[in-house]
Amino acid sequence: DAKTTQPTSMDCAEGRAANLPCNHSTISGNEYVYWYRQIHSQGPQYIIHGLKNNETNEMASLIITEDRKSSTLILPHATLRDTAVYYCIVRPSWGKLQFGAGTQVVVTP
Amino acid sequence: EAGVVQSPRYKIIEKKQPVAFWCNPISGHNTLYWYLQNLGQGPELLIRYENEEAVDDSQLPKDRFSAERLKGVDSTLKIQPAELGDSAVYLCASSLEGTGPGEQFFGPGTRLTVL
Repeated sequence: DAKTTQPTSMDCAEGRAANLPCNHSTISGNEYVYWYRQIHSQGPQYIIHGLKNNETNEMASLIITEDRKSSTLILPHATLRDTAVYYCIVRPSWGKLQFGAGTQVVVTP
Repeated sequence: EAGVVQSPRYKIIEKKQPVAFWCNPISGHNTLYWYLQNLGQGPELLIRYENEEAVDDSQLPKDRFSAERLKGVDSTLKIQPAELGDSAVYLCASSLEGTGPGEQFFGPGTRLTVL
C-alpha cells in the first residue's frame, strides 16, 4: 500500500507557480520524501527529495512540514512541458520506490 | 551521458507466445530495477538487482516471468507464456547505490500488447 495521499488531479496556469500537496502521516524517521514525475509515454523522472529540511534545485522546491507528515512540491513557473503525473513517495534511503497513483497536473495556456 | 536504454519500445504478441525485453543501464550503475506499469497506475517493482544478484524478486511471478543480469550490466526480462493480463508497460531503471539516497533513472519503457 502506498504511504502517501495526493489529489487525483490539478490544473495550473502557465507561468504561475504550481503547488502540489502530499500527505504522509505515517512517515518514519529514516524515510525520505521523494518526488518523481512521468510525462506521457516516458519513464518517471526524478525531481527532488528531502528528509527534514526544505530543498531546492533547478526543477522545483520541496517544503516539508516540521512534523514531516506532509509536504508540498513547488514548480515556481509552470510551463506546458510540466504537464505530467507527479508522484510523491516516501522511502528509506536504500528502499524500493513504491508509487501510488500520483497527481495528474495539467498546465494550461 | 546516455540514459537507460530499453528495447523494443513496442511489442505486440499473441497470448501463449514468449516475449523478452532488454535493458542497458547507465554506465557504472550497480543497481538495476524492472517495473511493471498498468494503465492509469504507478509503476510496481518486479525485481531489483545489485550487480548480478537479484536481491528483491518477491513481486516477480516466477511461474511465467524470469530475469537475468549477466556480468552485472545488461538485463533481460522474459515472459513465457504471455497472458492477456500481461499487457502493460515494462520499465527498467538503474541507480548507483552506496553513495547516499539513490536516485533512480528510468528508461522509456516497453509497451507490451498481448492479443
